[in-house]
Amino acid sequence: TQLLEQSPQFLSIQEGENLTVYCNSSSVFSSLQWYRQEPGEGPVLLVTVVTGGEVKKLKRLTFQFGDARKDSSLHITAAQPGDTGLYLCAGEVTNAGKSTFGDGTTLTVKP
Amino acid sequence: DAGVIQSPRHEVTEMGQEVTLRCKPISGHDYLFWYRQTMMRGLELLIYFNNNVPIDDSGMPEDRFSAKMPNASFSTLKIQPSEPRDSAVYFCASSRDRTALSTDTQYFGPGTRLTVL
Repeated sequence: TQLLEQSPQFLSIQEGENLTVYCNSSSVFSSLQWYRQEPGEGPVLLVTVVTGGEVKKLKRLTFQFGDARKDSSLHITAAQPGDTGLYLCAGEVTNAGKSTFGDGTTLTVKP
Repeated sequence: DAGVIQSPRHEVTEMGQEVTLRCKPISGHDYLFWYRQTMMRGLELLIYFNNNVPIDDSGMPEDRFSAKMPNASFSTLKIQPSEPRDSAVYFCASSRDRTALSTDTQYFGPGTRLTVL
């Protein structure tokens, strides 16, 4: 059983469209991170959220942490081909000492 | 800062051979993590160290896998003997020491793509 469920698994859209990907769990997390991974490279951290209900913006990317700290979403406005990649969420259960990663959402933005 | 350094970047070996993957974490980082990534299972944590001491190796799949961290700037992941099902991309990541209020921000290396024939 995957601790963090990400949806959708695959997403293919046209440049300029908006999209939202989700990261859900039945567990409470002390923090949650979103990473983007490009082919042949390791994941790169985009953002960390720690407070329930927190919203963070990074240019066209908006990240939200659920009020109960069990879920998160990533919204991209006016997607660009450069946004193409694997988006991973990772959560640290309080005092667990380690993060668990979701299976990821593979995003393809077509020009 | 050079970031996390891993070697080799690619490794092709035959079943039964010993494989050693290497990692140099970012200087000053006290945590080091080894992950394996496959299409079927995604990104899995194998083991992590804090101040060179293994803290949690519950993700290590079998006794064929072993990891060491002899000093703060070097770690190895060894597979002996290797099997085709070990084929995957292996990532090393490091992070700073964490306080109760800090978060687990990990910096990943570029990975080693292992193919066992």
